Amino acid sequence: NAGVTQTPKFQVLKTGQSMTLQCAQDMNHNSMYWYRQDPGMGLRLIYYSASEGTTDKGEVPNGYNVSRLNKREFSLRLESAAPSQTSVYFCASSALTRRYYRDSYNEQFFGPGTRLTVL
Amino acid sequence: AQSVTQLGSHVSVSEGALVLLRCNYSSSVPPYLFWYVQYPNQGLQLLLKYTSAATLVKGINGFEAEFKKSETSFHLTKPSAHMSDAAEYFCAVSNNQGGKLIFGQGTELSVKP
Repeated sequence: NAGVTQTPKFQVLKTGQSMTLQCAQDMNHNSMYWYRQDPGMGLRLIYYSASEGTTDKGEVPNGYNVSRLNKREFSLRLESAAPSQTSVYFCASSALTRRYYRDSYNEQFFGPGTRLTVL
Repeated sequence: AQSVTQLGSHVSVSEGALVLLRCNYSSSVPPYLFWYVQYPNQGLQLLLKYTSAATLVKGINGFEAEFKKSETSFHLTKPSAHMSDAAEYFCAVSNNQGGKLIFGQGTELSVKP
């Protein structure tokens, strides 16, 4: 099992250019997530997909769009890149399960990250 | 709303010394808590998790954490630091909405020979 894979590993864009970050998992997980990591700020959730066919905004969704293509794949698109989007992007997945009256789940598994620079 | 605070953005210890990384959480419901480790230029890897079973949780690489409800804390410890423990450590609390995690700002651990 490859786990969570992300492409590309590195990318340099000019302001205004667009690009799509790809993420795939082979663990049959229901839920997938996109985070950005910036120094001193931990990981901030951009978008997530609790299950195939659904997507929801996270903490910092502005300037991004997502597509849950199927159960395996969850892509993140920057329509018009800005220098403020320079960051390291991580995709994650988890097996969301329900227990008793509240959601319960296993840990999130992370991909290796994409380092994006916007000039 | 849930939140996590990690005290100290950088901690330095000598090899063989005790490692203590602090994490306090805020949650209106019984929380699930996690510690992740990130080695340079890599993704995050789960160290351990608390999911309302035993309050003392043992993880990989000799790390453990104790859930203290009265102190709203989930501090990470290791009795004897190793050079290979140098990394960034993140504490996270669950959000009941779709399994989202709320991360702390991270603590970078340095280990001196």
